[in-house]
Amino acid sequence: DAKTTQPTSMDCAEGRAANLPCNHSTISGNEYVYWYRQIHSQGPQYIIHGLKNNETNEMASLIITEDRKSSTLILPHATLRDTAVYYCIVNGEYGNKLVFGAGTILRVKS
Amino acid sequence: GAVVSQHPSWVICKSGTSVKIECRSLDFQATTMFWYRQFPKQSLMLMATSNEGSKATYEQGVEKDKFLINHASLTLSTLTVTSAHPEDSSFYICSAYGLAWENTDTQYFGPGTRLTVL
Repeated sequence: DAKTTQPTSMDCAEGRAANLPCNHSTISGNEYVYWYRQIHSQGPQYIIHGLKNNETNEMASLIITEDRKSSTLILPHATLRDTAVYYCIVNGEYGNKLVFGAGTILRVKS
Repeated sequence: GAVVSQHPSWVICKSGTSVKIECRSLDFQATTMFWYRQFPKQSLMLMATSNEGSKATYEQGVEKDKFLINHASLTLSTLTVTSAHPEDSSFYICSAYGLAWENTDTQYFGPGTRLTVL
């Protein structure tokens, strides 16, 4: 599976959009981009995933560049409860294990 | 989304004892489950892949005789930490693939089990 690069940490003001970038320049054609987050002392929570089209659900939007080498997770109106570690993971094969990097610590501040 | 539960949520045991952690998929069948371990301020590290009805596949460096995994049904996998020692104290998390959307499965995680070995 392709590796990903994320910033170590980011701050965001409450109520504003949080934009979390992820680089995955070695992604291959059949690999999906997944986003999870982990709030302190809890198991990771699935947020969203996509292949090449932009995706949106009730939690977030995922914007994938046309060359698929990078993506951005957007939390449209961040709240204090969105403070967590956000993981961007590239995974291709169904049933395959997920490899977690260090992720991005997002701190939402009032 | 699919729901995965773990039991217990936390456990404290004496050194040398064995501890069993259960992972259940509540509203879907999971042919494959995964076990992760997470130390403080670190990311999740995969320990093993658990397949229903067959032996688990362990990651390099994980002792299979110490971390016994059983996946006897499509909704239950167990991790037994045998002869636990203080260095085994960690946050253990399981996960399983379940249906997300458009027939695309994704991996859902349990809430984790905090193990403290005295």
